[in-house]
Amino acid sequence: LAKTTQPISMDSYEGQEVNITCSHNNIATNDYITWYQQFPSQGPRFIIQGYKTKVTNEVASLFIPADRKSSTLSLPRVSLSDTAVYYCLVGEVDSSYKLIFGSGTRLLVRP
Amino acid sequence: ETGVTQSPTHLIKTRGQQVTLRCSSQSGHNTVSWYQQALGQGPQFIFQYYREEENGRGNFPPRFSGLQFPNYSSELNVNALELDDSALYLCASSLQLALEQYFGPGTRLTVT
Repeated sequence: LAKTTQPISMDSYEGQEVNITCSHNNIATNDYITWYQQFPSQGPRFIIQGYKTKVTNEVASLFIPADRKSSTLSLPRVSLSDTAVYYCLVGEVDSSYKLIFGSGTRLLVRP
Repeated sequence: ETGVTQSPTHLIKTRGQQVTLRCSSQSGHNTVSWYQQALGQGPQFIFQYYREEENGRGNFPPRFSGLQFPNYSSELNVNALELDDSALYLCASSLQLALEQYFGPGTRLTVT
């Protein structure tokens, strides 16, 4: 089971780019890296998923170095509505595909 | 396309009672997972159902049980409620077994 470590909290301002780094030193060969976003009193929302190098979608980019021991979620030009908890997850290698959430990173975007 | 729905939204129960929470998966999704989220913590995996069979279970006692129906909706049952069971219970559905899961809004359970 690959454990993840990410900062407890981060502050930013509107319009800035935010990079949240996650460490997963024990990631297994078949594991994928997945990021979720959660607003208070709501269920988590899938943001992005990747295996190696770089993945980009309309919401974020995910950078994964060659050794895959860490990953960085990049949010371009954040707004107040991006204030949320962001979770980095590493997928289970067994067949159950259960999501193992850590404590996440609380991002606060200020005006 | 209808998203994941859960009922009820809120629930208050007394210690020792039993509770049933319900989840309707997103259209076309055949996999449902349940999670418990205590205040200030990340969601914890309870169990998963794939095509009506349990397909993985987290570190929860047997008094947490579930079902998945032919239409892929699901129930979470908790017997002999304890105060520590107070939490937000989240249901997530996915197409096949996948890491991209779609969560419902949750059921807030309070045990007094």
